[in-house]
Formats: sequence, structure tokens, C-alpha cells
Amino acid sequence: AQSVTQLDSQVPVFEEAPVELRCNYSSSVSVYLFWYVQYPNQGLQLLLKYLSGSTLVKGINGFEAEFNKSQTSFHLRKPSVHISDTAEYFCAVSDRSTNAGNMLTFGGGTRLMVKP
Amino acid sequence: GAGVSQSPSNKVTEKGKDVELRCDPISGHTALYWYRQSLGQGLEFLIYFQGNSAPDKSGLPSDRFSAERTGGSVSTLTIQRTQQEDSAVYLCASSFSVKNSPLHFGNGTRLTVT
Repeated sequence: AQSVTQLDSQVPVFEEAPVELRCNYSSSVSVYLFWYVQYPNQGLQLLLKYLSGSTLVKGINGFEAEFNKSQTSFHLRKPSVHISDTAEYFCAVSDRSTNAGNMLTFGGGTRLMVKP
Repeated sequence: GAGVSQSPSNKVTEKGKDVELRCDPISGHTALYWYRQSLGQGLEFLIYFQGNSAPDKSGLPSDRFSAERTGGSVSTLTIQRTQQEDSAVYLCASSFSVKNSPLHFGNGTRLTVT
């Protein structure tokens, strides 16, 4: 079984400031890691994913995330946010086992609020 | 091409009524997932279909919830005798069966039980 904890339910930040959205996970099996974004009244879109290899992963819209195995974390960062980045962000994991599907276990979400 | 389509986008129903929510996955996607997103909470897994295999129903919260997938394509989530706590956004996603294939989400159905 897996669980995902997003430590901040809301993160207010001024435009052009850097931001970090925190994500920690717990799992009895090896997992893949994902970040999704949800804009108001829309479904979720994939921002980035970590499968293997380099622990620093770059995604769309200038976001990146770093996998830290020892701390079981996958924090999302952006060096300079825009008003348009205002959205809900979800961290998620899926089981690496070959006989498991691609089902995701999600964290509770972090609402990023970018202020002018 | 077309994304995952869900209908209706909004549904208001009275407590005790049955509702059906529909999901049209992306053509060619063999895996289909239903999630529930309640106010102030994350996404809760409900059910997962993979090809012709028996669905994984481990996330369904009660026997009032059921889902089917006809012909390996369209899926319907049915909630019987709705309760106020069923009010939520119900999200459908689909993906290829290949490992790590990303999930593509629809815009959801917002269900309000009065």
C-alpha cells in the first residue's frame, strides 16, 4: 500500500517569486512518482514524472522536481511563478510492479495562489 | 485528438435518487479509472478497468456504488440511493496499458445531492 502526504494545503506567493510544493510518500513497494496540475473546473494534467535515472526531473511550464529516496520526497519547484500558475497541484505515486496497473495514489493537493 | 469526455458536467439530484455518470475514454486506451474528489480532500480511487480483466473495485466506498464498462470503451458509474456525502466531483481517466503510460483525465462530473 502507498500513501502520499502534501504538507501544505495552500501556498500563497507573489508573482516572480520562487516556490516549492512539498510531497512525501510512504510505500511498501517501489514506486513511480508524478505531479499533476488542476486548473479551475478542469481535469488533471500531467506536469512531470520520475521513472528512473536522474533524480532531477523537468516538466512543463518551467516546473521541476527532485526525487530523494532517503527522504522519500518528491518536492516540486519553480524558480519564478506567474499568475497563470495559480492552480491545485497533486503529487501521486504508482506501483512499479509489472503486474500492477498504472493506478495512481494521490496526495491531498496543494493550492498555489500567485498574487500580483 | 479528442480527450476523455465526461457527462453530464454537472448533476443535481435529490437524496435517495439513483444517478449515472458517463465516461468516454480516449480511443485506444484500454485502461479506465474512476476517482472521486471531495471538497477539501484529495483524489480517492474508486475503480479500475483493464481490458477484459475483472475490474479492481477495491476503492468503491459502499455497495451503492457500481460501474461497468461496455465493449471495452464507454464506462458508466452508478450511484444508487444517493446520500449527501456522495456530493463530489467524479473524475474519469484513461491510459494505455503499457507500464507508466500517463493517465489522461476528463473534466469531471460535479454531483450535488440535495
